[in-house]
Amino acid sequence: KAGVTQTPRYLIKTRGQQVTLSCSPISGHRSVSWYQQTPGQGLQFLFEYFSETQRNKGNFPGRFSGRQFSNSRSEMNVSTLELGDSALYLCASTVSTSADTQYFGPGTRLTVL
Amino acid sequence: AQKITQTQPGMFVQEKEAVTLDCTYDTSDQSYGLFWYKQPSSGEMIFLIYQGSYDEQNATEGRYSLNFQKARKSTNLVISASQLGDSAMYFCAMRSGGVGNMLTFGGGTRLMVKP
Repeated sequence: KAGVTQTPRYLIKTRGQQVTLSCSPISGHRSVSWYQQTPGQGLQFLFEYFSETQRNKGNFPGRFSGRQFSNSRSEMNVSTLELGDSALYLCASTVSTSADTQYFGPGTRLTVL
Repeated sequence: AQKITQTQPGMFVQEKEAVTLDCTYDTSDQSYGLFWYKQPSSGEMIFLIYQGSYDEQNATEGRYSLNFQKARKSTNLVISASQLGDSAMYFCAMRSGGVGNMLTFGGGTRLMVKP
């Protein structure tokens, strides 16, 4: 079974631009979560989607948004990029319930210049 | 609020020896799950082992085992027979309370295996 895939793997943007990252979960997994990893703040939860609905949201500004499609694929969008948005963005998928292990993708490394 | 603390920023271990990575947590929930992930320099988070708060026995997965002490709110990861490929960042994480799969992560421990 294929693992979680994320595209693109690397991205360079400039301040003020917007960016869209994509995540395809493991086949059969319906929950997708997004995390931001930076050297200063560590790993922080962004949001979780389940059956196309946002189920949980972390403490991030409204510039960070996401969605999930009917095939469980998810996208996250960051508008008006800031230098501090430079990070590794990780996507994780689980089957559904809270008892399931989250399996992570390889991440998208975003650099904002 | 949930909190995970990993007090060892970096550790060295000799190849073939065992090593213990510490993790303490704080939560007011009775039901929670504890996870350990490995992150090599490539960036991908690799799931290692899971312990549920109601599990009576310590979890074991191959060379990985947990020393789960519920009263102390600690769940230390033991890696036996260290290999050079074990050199990586190790993160302890907790899921607790409510619906959903939000994980709270510790700051991580960088493990370096010496040949």
